[in-house]
Parts: sequence; structure tokens; C-alpha cells
Amino acid sequence: DQQVKQNSPSLSVQEGRISILNCDYTNSMFDYFLWYKKYPAEGPTFLISISSIKDKNEDGRFTVFLNKSAKHLSLHIVPSQPGDSAVYFCAASEGGTYKYIFGTGTRLKVLA
Amino acid sequence: DAGVTQSPTHLIKTRGQQVTLRCSPKSGHDTVSWYQQALGQGPQFIFQYYEEEERQRGNFPDRFSGHQFPNYSSELNVNALLLGDSALYLCASNQGAEETQYFGPGTRLLVL
Repeated sequence: DQQVKQNSPSLSVQEGRISILNCDYTNSMFDYFLWYKKYPAEGPTFLISISSIKDKNEDGRFTVFLNKSAKHLSLHIVPSQPGDSAVYFCAASEGGTYKYIFGTGTRLKVLA
Repeated sequence: DAGVTQSPTHLIKTRGQQVTLRCSPKSGHDTVSWYQQALGQGPQFIFQYYEEEERQRGNFPDRFSGHQFPNYSSELNVNALLLGDSALYLCASNQGAEETQYFGPGTRLLVL
């Protein structure tokens, strides 16, 4: 049973436009959510996180939105740059469990 | 500031053999988690070590075992290797109760 789902395996966006990556979860006990970016032959790089007590967190070009009632989070990248081309994973954890549950990833391609 | 390091980068083994992977956490971190990432999938949690004890374990058989040393570095051991153990093995570290985990580059294991 996949508790964290990224239903779009890939996304292409023009440079300078907004990229929106989506993630859905089923476990209502999840209270911390993260986004990681992964380039080939590298480990995942932490991008941004959000606690369940918030509905939005911003860091530069990256904003994460959390809709707890819909069990949905999204990552917005504005403006998108060619260097953002990578696989993006969302992850969730339940307080006190110490483990992340990852989605299957979305491959973002930013076209110059 | 050294990030998470892992060794070796690549490894080829045959079925039935045993393997040991190594991880040094980011400076200042005392908690190490291990994940397995199969091709096309998100990372899956294997276990986490804190204060030299296994604190949490995912859905992996006993063939997967680990250890944490007093300097916080960690080893992942896999016995009786199966073809299905071929994957990227990722180590992540964090400080105590801090939520965000930082990943190393991974060790790619191929079982023939």
C-alpha cells in the first residue's frame, strides 16, 4: 500500500515559468513533509519542508503548500531554471517514528 | 563542513554472498538511517540507529542488519544476497530529534 503517491512520473516546463509538483498521502498521522531533489548518480538533496501546523512554507524560488483536509501537498518552483531539471521526491513522516515514507518521484525537465 | 559520506560507491557481488556498506554522518549529526532505492522507485526505509542502538526498523528481513559506532558512523550488512537486493543504498543523517535528514551519495550494489 503506497502511503505517499506522486501520480505524475514526469513534467516538462518552459524556463521562467512555474513548475508545480504534486504529492498525495493517505496516512492522516503524517505530520512532517519534505521535498528532495535528486540528480543522477547523487543522493537526494533536501529542498524544503513543512510541518502539519502550517499550510505554506517558502524558501527563495521554492514554496510548499499543504492541504491537510485533502491530504495533498505541492511544490512550486518560480521561476523554473534548466538546473532544476531532476527527479523530485516528496516524503512524509509520522512524529516519533523517525522514518520517512517516500513517493516514487516526478522527473522535471525545464526546457531552455 | 563535510556532508554524509558513503563507501564504496559501487559494488558487485554474487548471490549468497555477504556485503558491508559504510556511512559517515554529517558533522554534528548523531543519528543514521539507511534506505534502499530500487530502480524507478522512491527510497524505502530499512532502519535507523541512534546511540548505537537500532531505534526503528522498516519492512526488511533479518538478512539486513546494521551497527553504529561510538563516533556515530554506521554499517549496513546484508547476508545471503539475492538478485532483488540490487539497488542504490542510501545513508541519511540528522541530529537527535531534528526532523530533516540529509543524504549521502549512495552505494550502488549489483547482485549477479
